[in-house]
Formats: sequence, C-alpha cells, structure tokens
Amino acid sequence: QVQLEQSGAEVKKPGASVKVSCKASGYTFSAYYLHWVRQAPGQGLEWLGLINPGVGATRFSRKFQDRVSLTRDTSTNTAYMEMNNLRPDDTAIYYCARDRVVDGTSAYLTFWGQGTLVTVSS
Amino acid sequence: DIRLTQSPSTLSASVGDRVTITCRASQYISDWLAWYQQKPGEAPKLLIYRSSVLESGVPSRFSGSGSGTDFTLTISSLQPGDSATYYCQQSETFGQGTKVEIK
Repeated sequence: QVQLEQSGAEVKKPGASVKVSCKASGYTFSAYYLHWVRQAPGQGLEWLGLINPGVGATRFSRKFQDRVSLTRDTSTNTAYMEMNNLRPDDTAIYYCARDRVVDGTSAYLTFWGQGTLVTVSS
Repeated sequence: DIRLTQSPSTLSASVGDRVTITCRASQYISDWLAWYQQKPGEAPKLLIYRSSVLESGVPSRFSGSGSGTDFTLTISSLQPGDSATYYCQQSETFGQGTKVEIK
C-alpha cells in the first residue's frame, strides 16, 4: 500500500533552516509528482511547491520560491523539503502528498504523509 | 492568481441533514476543482476531483458539482463522522475551509 513517512518534529530558531524528509513506499517513486503543503496552527492549507521525482524538476509557489528547495534521492525513494531563513510565522505542520496521476500533475493529492510539525521560536 | 472563496465558514447541522458548501473561484477554472475533508489531527483526505468525480472509497453521500467559477460540495445525509473541515482546491490554491459541526 502507498505510504509516505515523514521525519519527526523540529524546533528551530528564527533565521535557521529546516529539512523535512518524506520517504515513499508502495509505488514507483519516480512516476508520481510529490507536493508539499503546510498548515499553520488553526489555519488553512497552503501549497509550497512540487517535485517530479523522476527528473528532479521543481515548481514553487511565488511566495516560497526564494526560501524553499525541493530535492529527492531516488536510491532511497525519499523527497526533501528545505526551508531557509525561518520566521516564527513559518510554524506549521508540513505535509508531503502524492499526486493522483502518473507522469504528470493533476494537483489532486491522493496520499498524504502524517505531517511534520516545525516550530520556529527564539 | 486565482482565489477561492468558500461559504459558509462554519455550519452546524443535524445527522441526516443535507449539507451544501460552496466554493467560488475568482476566475474561470473549468472543472479543475477538488474537495478535501480534514479531521482534527489528521492529514486532509481527497473526496472529489474534477469537480464531480468521487475518489475511490469515498461514500456516495458526498457529491460535487459546478464548472466555471461556482462549485458545490453536497453531503446528502450528514453522518456523525462527517464532522470536519472541508477545503476546495484548484491547483496551488486552497479555499479557506468550511467547518462542519454536528448539532
């Protein structure tokens, strides 16, 4: 069965960086785009970007394109989201989620990781 | 950028009620809209995509309709387990959410 297993909670100081991992299993990793979505406490969902694990191509929300990088390791079927220059309002649960369609993006997110809480506080 | 506006923000209904949530896009998006359900402490769950296509395993009491700029999610007979927040989504944009509570 499809599973996305994310790394554990992080506590960071303002200005620091964080790297969250998302290990995929149960399907062909390179065939499905992975998206990253975050949710601040008590707030709605916010899309950060996506990666095509097959070739490593990425696309970002304009809001995050200067501070977020998305990478993948096809040898371990793991995707990574790194955010730089963290601010307190980056405190949120960060999710990875798999696209519904093969070899493309519909932006319909069928499988989700369990989420990783990133807390930014001095 | 496309904006999605959901209404209402919160609704309270009784078990068995028919519930409708609307999502309005700031510009034409054809039928490229999805609906998600999120329960507290859980990741979102895809319910409907392409405006009206039910995701596998989703109960048939959920349905979606609309095209262009106006969309609806309907729960035909509200069940206790449907208490959740519902989000519409178009590509990289999500609506602000509608919280559904059971009376």
